[in-house]
Amino acid sequence: AQKITQTQPGMFVQEKEAVTLDCTYDTSDPSYGLFWYKQPSSGEMIFLIYQGSYDQQNATEGRYSLNFQKARKSANLVISASQLGDSAMYFCAMSSNTGGFKTIFGAGTRLFVKA
Amino acid sequence: EAQVTQNPRYLITVTGKKLTVTCSQNMNHEYMSWYRQDPGLGLRQIYYSMNVEVTDKGDVPEGYKVSRKEKRNFPLILESPSPNQTSLYFCASRPRVSGSNGETQYFGPGTRLLVL
Repeated sequence: AQKITQTQPGMFVQEKEAVTLDCTYDTSDPSYGLFWYKQPSSGEMIFLIYQGSYDQQNATEGRYSLNFQKARKSANLVISASQLGDSAMYFCAMSSNTGGFKTIFGAGTRLFVKA
Repeated sequence: EAQVTQNPRYLITVTGKKLTVTCSQNMNHEYMSWYRQDPGLGLRQIYYSMNVEVTDKGDVPEGYKVSRKEKRNFPLILESPSPNQTSLYFCASRPRVSGSNGETQYFGPGTRLLVL
């Protein structure tokens, strides 16, 4: 069965420092995609970054990068130069490319950025 | 503007009173999905649809129905709501073909449902 695990319920980071949010996954599908979403207190889901299981290079989007270690089944999100506006809930998700649109989410990590 | 819309955004109802939450997307996406979000559990997929008239169960389909008669619309139906369906609901859509952003899902703004 597919599973996403985010082991950090909450984290603090000092403004302008980098932070890593952990995500491990489990799947038997050979082809899948990994996502990170941000959910601020206003409630909307904001797409941050995507990594395909066959992608050779780690994905990057501005201050966000995804540290993809396929053998370890981990897909950690790295936020560089944290800003106060980064304070939010962050979700890791996985979508099977062979199972249609079936998608699972982790429980989330709440990030607090300190001034 | 490309978007996924949901209505209503907030709803208070009573046990057993049928309700429908509408979802519409203007991006001509094949894939649409419904999720519920509960504290400590993240988002859980209720139903998804790969195209018109093609739907399948997600992880928590009990107590819900969906239909996909048109490509742009994917309503969520609660035939007899119960208090344990009190939650935050999200609709999402995605193109079938991967683009430069991979299989990015676009989310609606969410519907907060309270069942008394």
